[in-house]
Amino acid sequence: EAAVTQSPRNKVTVTGGNVTLSCRQTNSHNYMYWYRQDTGHGLRLIHYSYGAGNLQIGDVPDGYKATRTTQEDFFLLLELASPSQTSLYFCASSDWDTQYFGPGTRLLVL
Amino acid sequence: KTQVEQSPQSLVVRQGENCVLQCNYSVTPDNHLRWFKQDTGKGLVSLTVLVDQKDKTSNGRYSATLDKDAKHSTLHITATLLDDTATYICVVGDRGSALGRLHFGAGTQLIVIP
Repeated sequence: EAAVTQSPRNKVTVTGGNVTLSCRQTNSHNYMYWYRQDTGHGLRLIHYSYGAGNLQIGDVPDGYKATRTTQEDFFLLLELASPSQTSLYFCASSDWDTQYFGPGTRLLVL
Repeated sequence: KTQVEQSPQSLVVRQGENCVLQCNYSVTPDNHLRWFKQDTGKGLVSLTVLVDQKDKTSNGRYSATLDKDAKHSTLHITATLLDDTATYICVVGDRGSALGRLHFGAGTQLIVIP
């Protein structure tokens, strides 16, 4: 069974704060993704990567940076958090057949 | 513009009843369509994937159809259980693998009551 873990599971910060969301997959997948999920919207792709050191821009990248340090680890960085970034964030990894999702990180920016 | 529309937005059924969830999309190309189940506070879990021009799949109490000409899919859940309470998300892929860009619907929230 594919395994994708995220930390923290919940995070509260203030406007202008610095936040790092972590994702680790133990499936040896090359592709990893960061999404945000908001009420009334489908998951929206923020950034993705197809290997260590690689980064691709998704559909809603503004205000986010990402870094893929190893095949296993993919980080999402909010350097100046804003209330509009309050959301549920999902990480995923994929092989050829399907994407495997982590449990999500709920972020609240006050 | 939203490319994957799901209906209804929410649905309440009694345990044991059947239900049908709809997905209409405008994604092109539409290589495959996948249905996910998302339990509250958890990630998405794949239920089934449809690939062919007119496709049908079955996975236990879940069955799905796809008509690429109509760009329409349905997910049927028979004899619902309380554990079926979740959000069901329709996802269209534009390539022949999960590595391509995925287009997500906003989901249908299903609530199963005793």
